Amino acid sequence: AQKITQTQPGMFVQEKEAVTLDCTYDTSDQSYGLFWYKQPSSGEMIFLIYQGSYDEQNATEGRYSLNFQKARKSANLVISASQLGDSAMYFCAMREPPAANQAGTALIFGKGTTLSVSS
Amino acid sequence: DARVTQTPRDKVTEMGQEVTMRCQPILGHNTVFWYRQTMMQGLELLAYFRNRAPLDDSGMPKDRFSAEMPDATLATLKIQPSEPRDSAVYFCASALGLSTDTQYFGPGTRLTVL
Repeated sequence: AQKITQTQPGMFVQEKEAVTLDCTYDTSDQSYGLFWYKQPSSGEMIFLIYQGSYDEQNATEGRYSLNFQKARKSANLVISASQLGDSAMYFCAMREPPAANQAGTALIFGKGTTLSVSS
Repeated sequence: DARVTQTPRDKVTEMGQEVTMRCQPILGHNTVFWYRQTMMQGLELLAYFRNRAPLDDSGMPKDRFSAEMPDATLATLKIQPSEPRDSAVYFCASALGLSTDTQYFGPGTRLTVL
C-alpha cells in the first residue's frame, strides 16, 4: 500500500487564485513529520513547509499553508494568491520514526502533482 | 546562503563505464541522503549516512552501487558498471541531524547511460 497518496496528477489555476493540492498518508505511528517540496522545471527540490504530527496549529510559510487533518490522515498544501512562478511539480512526503533496528529514517514521497498557473 | 552542492550536474556515459557522483552537504549537517528520481518509480531512497557512517543502503543495488562519505564535507555515489536502467536524476540531501526534520536537497545529477 502506498504510504503517501497524491491523487491529482495535474492542477490548473489562474494567477492570484488559491489552490489546494491534496495529500493523504498512511502510518500507524503517532510521531511523524509531513513535508511539501516544490520541483520547478529546473529540477531542484525546494523545501516549502513542514508539519509535525503533534503540532496543534496548521503550519504556514508565507503564501503556503498546510491543512493538517490528523483524523483523516490528510496534509493538503494550500497556496494562496498563485503566481506564475508557482508552476511546478509538488511533492508531499512523510518521515516516520525509525524502526527498532534503525537509527533513523528517510523521507517517503508521493508521486507528485503538477501545478500550472496561467495569467 | 547555505546549499547542498552536487557534481556533475549532467553526466552522459556509455553502458559499462564507472560513474561517480559527488555531494557536499550543508556545513554542519551530519546526515546525508541519496535519492533517485525516475518517471516510473518517482523519488526513492538509495542510502543515507549519519556522522559519515552508513545507516541504511537497502535501496541500493549492492552489486553495482556504492556510497561513501570520505569526510564530513563529501559524499560519493558510485556506479560500476553503469547500465541504461540507471538513467535517472540522483539527488543528495542533507539534514542537521536525525532529530531535525527538514532535508535540504542539492540540484541533482542527471545521469544518462547509453
